[in-house]
Amino acid sequence: DIQMTQSPSSLSASVGDRVTITCQASQDINNCLNWYQQKPGRAPKLLIYDASNLESGVPSRFSGSGSGTDFTFTISSLQPEDFATYYCQLYDDLRDAFGPGTTVDVK
Amino acid sequence: QITLKESGPTLVKPTQTLTLTCTFSGFSLTTPGEAVGWIRQPPGKALEWLALIFWDDDKGYSPSLKNRLTITKDTSKNRVVLTMTNMDPVDTATYFCARSLQRTYGNWGRGTLVTVSS
Repeated sequence: DIQMTQSPSSLSASVGDRVTITCQASQDINNCLNWYQQKPGRAPKLLIYDASNLESGVPSRFSGSGSGTDFTFTISSLQPEDFATYYCQLYDDLRDAFGPGTTVDVK
Repeated sequence: QITLKESGPTLVKPTQTLTLTCTFSGFSLTTPGEAVGWIRQPPGKALEWLALIFWDDDKGYSPSLKNRLTITKDTSKNRVVLTMTNMDPVDTATYFCARSLQRTYGNWGRGTLVTVSS
């Protein structure tokens, strides 16, 4: 059973800041990792798929990298609409799993 | 346009079985690569993946809940049904269904809040 850790659990940032979130899998998952944004009362929104591919329509300030067990999600210049909770999600064979989430709030 | 909508009871009693239906449009669960998953979120907490059913009827379940979950599909009606047995107050959550294309959840329903209480 693959375990996921995500860090930090929360962070405070200002508009214009560079924000970095990491996810670590307990075993090699190749590039089988996606990133989502969720705002209160809303369903999650897919941002990055297969570790580094930007979903259509998602601003280029969002990016992802990594492979194997260690993955990074970056917002290059935080915008007001980016304050939200971010989740990584791995997939493996017939199972998926979400990370515990990172809440980005106003500094 | 792809849409998904969850339906089912908003309140269930402890020990009862929950049955949720996801009705979708804009894609077919007979197309290779397509799947529909269920994800839940207790109030103020993180997303938790529950189950997934693929176009070829393969199924996957959360290891911690697999003994309580069953996922099925009705391709003629574009529906996916999730049942969860022996409900407990800790199962109170918003339950989402989502389309999984190539293992990415790109389209989601709005979610339905299920409260477990006597």
